[in-house]
Amino acid sequence: NAGVTQTPKFRILKIGQSMTLQCTQDMNHNYMYWYRQDPGMGLKLIYYSVGAGITDKGEVPNGYNVSRSTTEDFPLRLELAAPSQTSVYFCASSRTGGWGNDQPQHFGDGTRLSIL
Amino acid sequence: KNEVEQSPQNLTAQEGEFITINCSYSVGISALHWLQQHPGGGIVSLFMLSSGKKKHGRLIATINIQEKHSSLHITASHPRDSAVYICAVSDQGGSEKLVFGKGTKLTVNP
Repeated sequence: NAGVTQTPKFRILKIGQSMTLQCTQDMNHNYMYWYRQDPGMGLKLIYYSVGAGITDKGEVPNGYNVSRSTTEDFPLRLELAAPSQTSVYFCASSRTGGWGNDQPQHFGDGTRLSIL
Repeated sequence: KNEVEQSPQNLTAQEGEFITINCSYSVGISALHWLQQHPGGGIVSLFMLSSGKKKHGRLIATINIQEKHSSLHITASHPRDSAVYICAVSDQGGSEKLVFGKGTKLTVNP
């Protein structure tokens, strides 16, 4: 199994440009997540989804949009790129969430994004 | 909102040493996760705990719910254990929203 696949691995954008970070998983997981990791800081949740057609905001959703039309795919859209969005982005998935379930999150390799 | 504190921030050890990394959180949780981030950036889930202790190979994770504290131990450390170790918690009530610590950077020298 490929697990969680993110593309691209690296990208440089100009301020104001738009782009979509792709994330796909082949484990039939219901839950998917987008995180950003800034230097010296912990990962922060941007958006998450508990199933196809259902998404919800995390801790830092401003400037981003998501959609979940299929179980496999959970793209993250940046509409008007800003320097503050320079970060490493991780997509993750898990079979379920919640209390008492021994279901860890599986992470993609990350997308390193620079906005100049 | 939960706050997650890890200590130490950086840790350098000699090969073979016993390693302990600590994690404290501020409010009740449903589960605590230990993750490993390799120098190349990839993140792997090591443990998910809601009580007691778990062991996998040379790694042992413990949690004390009353004290709101968890430890990750590495026995007989090896240079390949060099990585950033991240603690994360999910809130009570089954939230899927993890709150992460800033990580502990471990370097094991040969």
